[in-house]
Formats: sequence, C-alpha cells, structure tokens
Amino acid sequence: AQSVAQPEDQVNVAEGNPLTVKCTYSVSGNPYLFWYVQYPNRGLQFLLKYITGDNLVKGSYGFEAEFNKSQTSFHLKKPSALVSDSALYFCACVAWNTGFQKLVFGTGTRLLVSP
Amino acid sequence: GAVVSQHPSRVICKSGTSVKIECRSLDFQATTMFWYRQFPKKSLMLMATSNEGSKATYEQGVEKDKFLINHASLTLSTLTVTSAHPEDSSFYICSSMGGALAGGLYENEQFFGPGTRLTVL
Repeated sequence: AQSVAQPEDQVNVAEGNPLTVKCTYSVSGNPYLFWYVQYPNRGLQFLLKYITGDNLVKGSYGFEAEFNKSQTSFHLKKPSALVSDSALYFCACVAWNTGFQKLVFGTGTRLLVSP
Repeated sequence: GAVVSQHPSRVICKSGTSVKIECRSLDFQATTMFWYRQFPKKSLMLMATSNEGSKATYEQGVEKDKFLINHASLTLSTLTVTSAHPEDSSFYICSSMGGALAGGLYENEQFFGPGTRLTVL
C-alpha cells in the first residue's frame, strides 16, 4: 500500500534559520508527492507537489522540497524560517482506489518557529 | 488555485440529532469530492470519495448509514452525520478535484475547504 511517513511530531527552529521537515515515502510505481500546510482550525493549503521532472520543487511562501529517489524521501525545506510559518505540515502521496485517486497523508509535523 | 467553501464552519448539536455539512466548489466543476475527518493533533482520515451522480465509496470502517454523502451536482457535495453522538465530534474537511468530465480543469489536483468543527453534546 502507498504510504508516507513523517518521523518528527514537532520541529523547532529559530526565526531566520533554515528549516527542514522530513518525509519518506513507500510507493509502488512513480510517486506523486505533495506538501500541505494547515493553520489552526483551518483546512489544508497546498504548498507544492512532485509529479515528474526536476528533483527540486519550488512552492508557495518560499518553500521547496527535494525528491530523492534513492532515499525515498521528499523533505520540505525553507532557507530562512518566519514565525508565521508555525503551523502543521502534512506530506501526502497519491494512491489509486478502484479507478480513481486518493491522497494518503502522513501523521503531520508541527513546526514551531521562535522569534 | 481553486476555492472550496464549507458551511457551517462550526456547529454544536445535541446527541441524537442529524447535522448536514455542505461543501461547495466555487470556481470549478469538481468531478470528485472527498470527505476527511481529523481528530485533535492527528492526521486526516479519508472517510469517503464521491463522484457526481453516483454513490460514494466509503473507506473501510466508515459507516455508510451514519455518514450520508450526496454529490448532487458538480459543485456541491453534502455530508450528513445522522443520529450524532459525542464520539462524532471532530473536524470535518472536504476537498474537490477536477477531472476529464469537468473539462480537464484541475485534473488530479485536490483543493480543500476550510473545515467544519462539529461538537455533539
């Protein structure tokens, strides 16, 4: 079964420092991978996706993610964190379910950026 | 990206009553809509997938008779929690996805609503 894993429940980083939120995947075939962000009591906002092409994917709000096939990873990164980046981040992959696709989410990583 | 709305954003009801949550795709026709449930500090759990004009496909362990889904048009899906109980209290999120039947717009991309907080007393 298709799955993604987020090994860290929480990541703490100081404002201005680079941040990394980790995600590894287990997918048969070509992986379709996504990152979403969720602010308190809100739905998910799309950050970026990898379908094919360059391994470094650039997304919204200065975020980027690197697809690494040998390590089966898709870590989310940002060169300089902002306090406003504090939120819950979800990695997801596409799984096919009886003819149509669905998203399978990781358990989420809470990012806390301190001033 | 596309905009998806949910109504209501928050609802409090008594145990035993039914609650209907609407999910609307505001600026594109959604071939497929998804309903998720999120527990506090937990990931999203897919409850069901609905395609316009056909019956919803429920994930294993989700009660079809308790969580009624209607996808009456390409822009509206509803989730009705029947005979709600306190354990049904949760954050419910919908998403919309375009597809070939909708002219190919936003094919295979999901856009999420803001969520509905259900509290059953």
